[in-house]
Amino acid sequence: EIVLTQSPATLSLSPGERATLSCRASQSVRSYLAWYQQKPGQAPRLLIYDASSRATGIPARFSGSGSGTDFTLTISSLEPEDFAVYYCQQRSDWPLSFGGGTNVEIK
Amino acid sequence: EVQLVESGGGLVQPGGSLRLSCPASGFTFSSYAMSWVRQGPGRGLEWVSTISSSGVGTYYADSVKGRFTISRDNSKNTLYLQMNSLRAEDTAVYYCAIYIQTGSNEDYWGQGTLVTVSS
Repeated sequence: EIVLTQSPATLSLSPGERATLSCRASQSVRSYLAWYQQKPGQAPRLLIYDASSRATGIPARFSGSGSGTDFTLTISSLEPEDFAVYYCQQRSDWPLSFGGGTNVEIK
Repeated sequence: EVQLVESGGGLVQPGGSLRLSCPASGFTFSSYAMSWVRQGPGRGLEWVSTISSSGVGTYYADSVKGRFTISRDNSKNTLYLQMNSLRAEDTAVYYCAIYIQTGSNEDYWGQGTLVTVSS
């Protein structure tokens, strides 16, 4: 079973700042990694798939990088609507798994 | 417009059973693998199960293996989750969603249905 570890658990930043979120896998997931954003009371929304491809309609300030075991989601300049919880998910092997999440909160 | 609408959640006693349904519309249901993902109160996302587009392949989280059964009826465009021997730790919002391993930005989720396991 592949365990995904996200860090930090909470990121306190101000609008306009850069956010860097990490996701580390216990074994290689190649590039089969996705990032989701979730706001309270809503279903998750896909931001990034295949480690670095932006989903339709996702602003260019969101970018993903990495392969193998180390991945990063970067938000270049936080907008007010970006404060939310972010999850990584590996799609490399069964069972699928999610990371524990990073809460990006307003400082 | 794509729609996934979960139903069947509710309050059930420990050891009881529930069957969740997720009728789909607005896309070619029979072409997509489908998943159930859950989220306990105040907790993160947990993958539960996935079924292939044909229904032949099924996959489960260890936490539900042997108790939950995923199925689909492509003639009715509907995904199901039969949940038996329910435990308090199964309390969660259950989402249905499409599953694509790679190469696609398609992303369809339902609004979720709440399952509460309590005496």
